Amino acid sequence: QSALTQPASVSGSPGQSITISCTGTSSDVGGYNYVSWYQQHPGKAPKVMIYDVSNRPSGVSNRFSGSRSGNTATLTISGLQAEDEADYYCSSYSRTSHVLFGGGTKVTVL
Amino acid sequence: QVLLQQSGPGLVRPSQTLSLTCSVSDGSISSGAYYWSWIRHHPGKGLEWIGYIYYSGSTQYNASLKSRLAMAIDTSKSQFSLKLSSVTAADTAVYYCAREDGSRTTFDYWGQGTLVTVSS
Repeated sequence: QSALTQPASVSGSPGQSITISCTGTSSDVGGYNYVSWYQQHPGKAPKVMIYDVSNRPSGVSNRFSGSRSGNTATLTISGLQAEDEADYYCSSYSRTSHVLFGGGTKVTVL
Repeated sequence: QVLLQQSGPGLVRPSQTLSLTCSVSDGSISSGAYYWSWIRHHPGKGLEWIGYIYYSGSTQYNASLKSRLAMAIDTSKSQFSLKLSSVTAADTAVYYCAREDGSRTTFDYWGQGTLVTVSS
């Protein structure tokens, strides 16, 4: 099963908003409300930022939001800050392989 | 706060077996609400789900690794483990253990990661 498709990189200036897409199929992203987003800083373990497509865990900034349209989920980071520079991964429940991850997106704060 | 602490060697010889253990700090390993998972991260690539084990001992594995995988769980010790046999250089990666919320397919707690290098 192929990984979910994410752009390799996204950049923005401090204060701007950026979006990261995650495209799958009706057997994963489009078929279930189980899309999550993770932030990973170099040398650290991933941290969940969004679960169930659009829910934020306690303690995660409300600058992070998630949505979905069809087979594509989107992570939006508003008011971009230097600390947001990291790799971001999406994941989804998959009918055929339990869970799939995206290839990752490197976010650069200019 | 749940802590997952990984242990195991960082260097494995080709064709040998990679073995890692993950210790869970609270009693949630005995809860039916979670799956206990292994995930790996190849250098410069994305995350790859390896598989999970349930508190009962039932497992689900990534089909591409299934023939080489074995997972075990010991709830009395709050530990679960991974064995990957016949390793090659392609298995070189950072390996993570993680707790998966079974109702959401979300990995809410992760171990610190172990870089495993397959080399002679």
